[in-house]
Amino acid sequence: NAGVTQTPKFQVLKTGQSMTLQCAQDMNHNSMYWYRQDPGMGLRLIYYSASEGTTDKGEVPNGYNVSRLNKREFSLRLESAAPSQTSVYFCASSEASIINEQFFGPGTRLTVL
Amino acid sequence: KNQVEQSPQSLIILEGKNCTLQCNYTVSPFSNLRWYKQDTGRGPVSLTIMTFSENTKSNGRYTATLDADTKQSSLHITASQLSDSASYICVVSRGGKLIFGQGTELSVKP
Repeated sequence: NAGVTQTPKFQVLKTGQSMTLQCAQDMNHNSMYWYRQDPGMGLRLIYYSASEGTTDKGEVPNGYNVSRLNKREFSLRLESAAPSQTSVYFCASSEASIINEQFFGPGTRLTVL
Repeated sequence: KNQVEQSPQSLIILEGKNCTLQCNYTVSPFSNLRWYKQDTGRGPVSLTIMTFSENTKSNGRYTATLDADTKQSSLHITASQLSDSASYICVVSRGGKLIFGQGTELSVKP
């Protein structure tokens, strides 16, 4: 039982490049989330998916898109990376709604030059 | 002003000592209050979850308390170990949203 997995672990991009962060969970959870964590700030929600086939914006969605590919997988795409998107990105999942316990992945450390 | 404020920002203690981390929140009402532990380079891991009607919740050497009147929560760590070195994050759940504190960085020295 791997829990929540994320790939890649590290990534360096140049301004304007695109990339997709992958996330998968094997706990049969309905809800999945993408957060970013910046120094001196709490985690901030980018997008979430309450169930397969649905996605909603969180607190900081600008510059990102998401895809809930199936119940297991939830990807985050940066279409044109900017230095302000340098951050650590965490994927999380929970059984149902956001008030349930969330399980986090190990994170992706992204640097945009 | 953040709705969830944690103090201190950082703390250094000696192995075997106890410590208490504080969380003050302005979010009200709320569904639950959580404490997470985040090791360096890892994702947060849940330690405790308390509803607004609970006063205390323990998980091994970790004990969380909640005072809804003063809107304060604390996380008490007993007999600290080197492996307790981590960031501890207080999170309040309200209206379908999670509001994260900035965390307290704890360093346990031998």
